[in-house]
Amino acid sequence: SQELEQSPQSLIVQEGKNLTINCTSSKTLYGLYWYKQKYGEGLIFLMMLQKGGEEKSHEKITAKLDEKKQQSSLHITASQPSHAGIYLCGADFFGHTPLVFGKGTRLSVIA
Amino acid sequence: GAVVSQHPSRVICKSGTSVKIECRSLDFQATTMFWYRQFPKQSLMLMATSNEGSKATYEQGVEKDKFLINHASLTLSTLTVTSAHPEDSSFYICSANKPGRGHYEQYFGPGTRLTVT
Repeated sequence: SQELEQSPQSLIVQEGKNLTINCTSSKTLYGLYWYKQKYGEGLIFLMMLQKGGEEKSHEKITAKLDEKKQQSSLHITASQPSHAGIYLCGADFFGHTPLVFGKGTRLSVIA
Repeated sequence: GAVVSQHPSRVICKSGTSVKIECRSLDFQATTMFWYRQFPKQSLMLMATSNEGSKATYEQGVEKDKFLINHASLTLSTLTVTSAHPEDSSFYICSANKPGRGHYEQYFGPGTRLTVT
């Protein structure tokens, strides 16, 4: 079974609208990473969350990790075309280990 | 943030030839690097863990004789695709662990697109 579930798979939002992407783990996380990728390109590191209840922000993107460290959400405020891309969450289950990735969320922002 | 580079960014080779992809951590030392593979419209799949000074650890289903990994220094890991076939065409991405305060952060290279004709 999939250890990391990401939803939605695809999202189309109007420019200026807010949106949320969720990432749920089947077990407790050591750390949770959020990346952005444009198709065929490398991954851009957005944020890493490690503590239960932690919340981090970068420009208009906010990510939270729940207290149980099994679910994270990525929230984009007032979306812009530059936010379009694929958002991937990656789970580190034991620390200093390779990441297990969700299937990604493809975000399109339309004018 | 940290910088991880990959070279080449794109490579086209003929079936039967070998291709080497380099992954470098430019501003930090990485005892551990990871190699991932990504097929079109799919997520990243871990291929192997590269440890400096020791043998790589391969994921189940990944042929170690086909995908040779060498981590000769704390800033360089190489992936060599031997006797490449068209089904090896893919996007290969490496990552490196950068030590932080009580944790590691993984930074990814820009990827290498391999096309085998």
